Amino acid sequence: AQTVTQSQPEMSVQEAETVTLSCTYDTSESDYYLFWYKQPPSRQMILVIRQEAYKQQNATENRFSVNFQKAAKSFSLKISDSQLGDAAMYFCAYRSRYYGGSQGNLIFGKGTKLSVKP
Amino acid sequence: DGGITQSPKYLFRKEGQNVTLSCEQNLNHDAMYWYRQDPGQGLRLIYYSQIVNDFQKGDIAEGYSVSREKKESFPLTVTSAQKNPTAFYLCASIADRGSGNTIYFGEGSWLTVV
Repeated sequence: AQTVTQSQPEMSVQEAETVTLSCTYDTSESDYYLFWYKQPPSRQMILVIRQEAYKQQNATENRFSVNFQKAAKSFSLKISDSQLGDAAMYFCAYRSRYYGGSQGNLIFGKGTKLSVKP
Repeated sequence: DGGITQSPKYLFRKEGQNVTLSCEQNLNHDAMYWYRQDPGQGLRLIYYSQIVNDFQKGDIAEGYSVSREKKESFPLTVTSAQKNPTAFYLCASIADRGSGNTIYFGEGSWLTVV
């Protein structure tokens, strides 16, 4: 079964600085999707960035970028020029490309709480 | 617009009472999920369904029940057997058969025992 591990329960960054959130996963599959979701205090889940495993190029969305290392099964999120509005819980998620399997092939990490200091 | 609707947003349950949280999607997704989130914690999977009339237990199914009679609906019942139901509940869905790469979430429901 697949697993997703976020080893940093909490992180802190100074406003305008850069921070990297870690995520590792375990799978025997070769084709899958990876996601980072942001959950602010409103609890709404907001998609930050997604990566398709067959694409070698790292995904980027404005100030957010990932470092996807398929062989190492690592999917870290880098937030540049951190803003106060970035403070939230961040979840890493894995989704198999293939239908079926345990948990419907949708697995979340336990989350990292990011604080941004002014 | 397509999306997931959860209701109610806030719900209060008395001791010994069953309550049902609604989750409806108009995205034509096969797979739907229910998660529980306690304050400051991650998402814990309660139940999931990958097809109509079929569902599977997640990690914390005890005290909960679901049904999937229609593709667009996946209601969650919190039964009196769930001793600590106060939490935030999230419903999610994804497209099936690898054709979709986005997870859709509802806005969540807060359940409080009074």
